[in-house]
Amino acid sequence: AQSVTQLGSHVSVSEGALVLLRCNYSSSVPPYLFWYVQYPNQGLQLLLKYTSAATLVKGINGFEAEFKKSETSFHLTKPSAHMSDAAEYFCAVSVRDDKIIFGKGTRLHILP
Amino acid sequence: AAGVIQSPRHLIKEKRETATLKCYPIPRHDTVYWYQQGPGQDPQFLISFYEKMQSDKGSIPDRFSAQQFSDYHSELNMSSLELGDSALYFCASSNSRGQVYGYTFGSGTRLTVV
Repeated sequence: AQSVTQLGSHVSVSEGALVLLRCNYSSSVPPYLFWYVQYPNQGLQLLLKYTSAATLVKGINGFEAEFKKSETSFHLTKPSAHMSDAAEYFCAVSVRDDKIIFGKGTRLHILP
Repeated sequence: AAGVIQSPRHLIKEKRETATLKCYPIPRHDTVYWYQQGPGQDPQFLISFYEKMQSDKGSIPDRFSAQQFSDYHSELNMSSLELGDSALYFCASSNSRGQVYGYTFGSGTRLTVV
């Protein structure tokens, strides 16, 4: 069965600094991978997705993620953090037409 | 663009009562997924439907049931509610079981059981 592991339940970065949220996946077949963002008391918004095309995926709000098969990773990055990026981020995996399985989430804190 | 619509947005019920949550998928989406997110937890898959048939089942209690109707909307019925059922319930839809583009989620229904 597929799964994702997010390293760090809380990550703090200074405004303007690099954001790096780590995600490793486990899947016996080529996976689809996603990053979702959830703001307080709101729903899940898709940031970006990997569906076996380009390994470097660009998403909304300046975020991007790179699929690295050799490392089974799909880390999320943003060059310069903004206060509005403070939220919960979920890495997720799916295999073809199967359901999406979420990681435990990483709460991103932005320090002024 | 049309999104996934969930109703109601908020629901307060007492223990042992029954609740019905509704989900209206994006037009032409034929697959619906239900997720439960407890406080401070990640979303957990409950159940999914494709073309009005149950396609997959996760950690859904026997007290819960769901169905997808001919217009593709779905309802999650929850009976004998317990305090632990208090959570955010999300519905997501996609346009085919075989094509994963990243499901579109609704804004969720926040259920509070008192």
